[in-house]
Amino acid sequence: SQQGEEDPQALSIQEGENATMNCSYKTSINNLQWYRQNSGRGLVHLILIRSNEREKHSGRLRVTLDTSKKSSSLLITASRAADTASYFCATDSSAGNMLTFGGGTRLMVKP
Amino acid sequence: DGGITQSPKYLFRKEGQNVTLSCEQNLNHDAMYWYRQDPGQGLRLIYYSQIVNDFQKGDIAEGYSVSREKKESFPLTVTSAQKNPTAFYLCASSIGQSSGEQFFGPGTRLTVL
Repeated sequence: SQQGEEDPQALSIQEGENATMNCSYKTSINNLQWYRQNSGRGLVHLILIRSNEREKHSGRLRVTLDTSKKSSSLLITASRAADTASYFCATDSSAGNMLTFGGGTRLMVKP
Repeated sequence: DGGITQSPKYLFRKEGQNVTLSCEQNLNHDAMYWYRQDPGQGLRLIYYSQIVNDFQKGDIAEGYSVSREKKESFPLTVTSAQKNPTAFYLCASSIGQSSGEQFFGPGTRLTVL
């Protein structure tokens, strides 16, 4: 079963705009991670946020975590055509299970 | 270069044949994982190994088998018992803790004809 579910499933924006993707999960977690996948390639780790953190930044990425709502968001600011990819959230449960990935958000940034 | 490699990139097999996908890492990671990804979907865990000579089933282990004889290698065999094997297969590794950052290989696209 999928722990994380991303929303929207697909997002199309113009270069320079901000992109926001959301992830909801069902059970308590130790941490939540975001990964990026270019078409036909492996996943690349973007950022990890722990359950006791509320916000984290990395370059143009901003991740928030609301454990009361069991949700997280990934914001990409000033998007570029090269940001076109699928973005996945991954969660682990407090029981220490393996990572569980959501279905992903497919982002297209038009030049 | 340190990293995780998978071979081959594309693999074609006839229905009913077993096929083995290679995964090698030189990151000195203890844990390794195999995932399956279907078009437009997320990743589903097939098998994982946290230490040499030990591995556990993931969510969709039926029709698959693995071995972990060396720290660097975690091959996946797709057997004829797997009813729908055509998919994109991703191998990953992590330092140790199962819920930490995972490093992914480039994937193998398996097509069963």
